[in-house]
Amino acid sequence: KAGVTQTPRYLIKTRGQQVTLSCSPISGHRSVSWYQQTPGQGLQFLFEYFSETQRNKGNFPGRFSGRQFSNSRSEMNVSTLELGDSALYLCASSRTPLGEGGTDTQYFGPGTRLTVL
Amino acid sequence: GQQVMQIPQYQHVQEGEDFTTYCNSSTTLSNIQWYKQRPGGHPVFLIQLVKSGEVKKQKRLTFQFGEAKKNSSLHITATQTTDVGTYFCAGYDRGSTLGRLYFGRGTQLTVWP
Repeated sequence: KAGVTQTPRYLIKTRGQQVTLSCSPISGHRSVSWYQQTPGQGLQFLFEYFSETQRNKGNFPGRFSGRQFSNSRSEMNVSTLELGDSALYLCASSRTPLGEGGTDTQYFGPGTRLTVL
Repeated sequence: GQQVMQIPQYQHVQEGEDFTTYCNSSTTLSNIQWYKQRPGGHPVFLIQLVKSGEVKKQKRLTFQFGEAKKNSSLHITATQTTDVGTYFCAGYDRGSTLGRLYFGRGTQLTVWP
């Protein structure tokens, strides 16, 4: 079956703009998590959505928001972009929510490389 | 605040040698996950440990979760060049309202043939 897809793969924006990234999970997966990866901070958890509800949240400012649709596709929005938002944004999907105690696998997408100028 | 520390940051080994990476949390975790990321690739989920003192094996890889659920380790026996990559641990804290996943900074493994 098809893997996790993310669009766009690359994006260049300027400071102050906003951006929306999209993630389509594996068919049948209802959990979508978002991550930011940078050389300086490593891999950081943004938030997780399950059945259109935010279940888990990392320590990011309110400029970072997300949502999930009824078909489990998810979008992440970053408003008022800053230079430090330049990063690889990854999403991952799984059948069950994070922390449910099972051994469900999270499958990562290829990521969206965001550059803020 | 909560954080997950991972050591070492880098490890260079000769093919055939063993490798271990360690994660330590400042607080008790609900579970811990391990990932591998190859250069230029995205993280690949390896395993999740849930129970106190749990030990799981995947071929040459052995994963442990500490009795206090504050530390974990990944041990690779007889490394191969295909083991090259960065290994991350991620601890899940259920929290009072929303849960959160805390990633270690990763251990970058280089294997010399």
